[in-house]
Amino acid sequence: AQSVTQLDSQVPVFEEAPVELRCNYSSSVSVYLFWYVQYPNQGLQLLLKYLSGSTLVKGINGFEAEFNKSQTSFHLRKPSVHISDTAEYFCAVSDSGNTPLVFGKGTRLSVIA
Amino acid sequence: DAGITQSPRHKVTETGTPVTLRCHQTENHRYMYWYRQDPGHGLRLIHYSYGVKDTDKGEVSDGYSVSRSKTEDFLLTLESATSSQTSVYFCAISGTGGLAYNEQFFGPGTRLTVL
Repeated sequence: AQSVTQLDSQVPVFEEAPVELRCNYSSSVSVYLFWYVQYPNQGLQLLLKYLSGSTLVKGINGFEAEFNKSQTSFHLRKPSVHISDTAEYFCAVSDSGNTPLVFGKGTRLSVIA
Repeated sequence: DAGITQSPRHKVTETGTPVTLRCHQTENHRYMYWYRQDPGHGLRLIHYSYGVKDTDKGEVSDGYSVSRSKTEDFLLTLESATSSQTSVYFCAISGTGGLAYNEQFFGPGTRLTVL
């Protein structure tokens, strides 16, 4: 069964600094990868997804992620964060179109003014 | 926004009582899911449905049952609520395009407190 490891439970960063949130998954022949964001007291919203094709995926709000098959990673990046990016971020994976998503435990991003 | 609503949004109940949470969608998606979210655990799958009357267990199904008699409604029942079931419960749907299980859309959540 798939598993997802988000290596940092909390990431504090100053406003306008770059950020990287790390995600590793257990190996599989093919995977579909997702990043979701959860703002306080809200549900989860899709940031971006990798299904196939280019390994660099761009999402909403200036975020991007790179799929690295050899390292089984799907790290999320943003070159310059804003206070409004303060939220919890979840990485998720599925083996194929026939299995539910498996979520990591989340990374809480705190942007400091 | 995907048309997903959850009811109730907040509930406080007592240990040993049955509780039913409702998820309603207006998107006609085939797949529906129930998750619970707890600090330090992320989201954990309780049950999911891949069609009317077709359901399967997830990672943390003990103490929960589900039913889906119509495409639009997915009910989660705590048969006898315990304090360990205090959590935030999220419903999700998927099923657009050819990748049926991917790209889930989430409801706003139900905060359940069991005293």
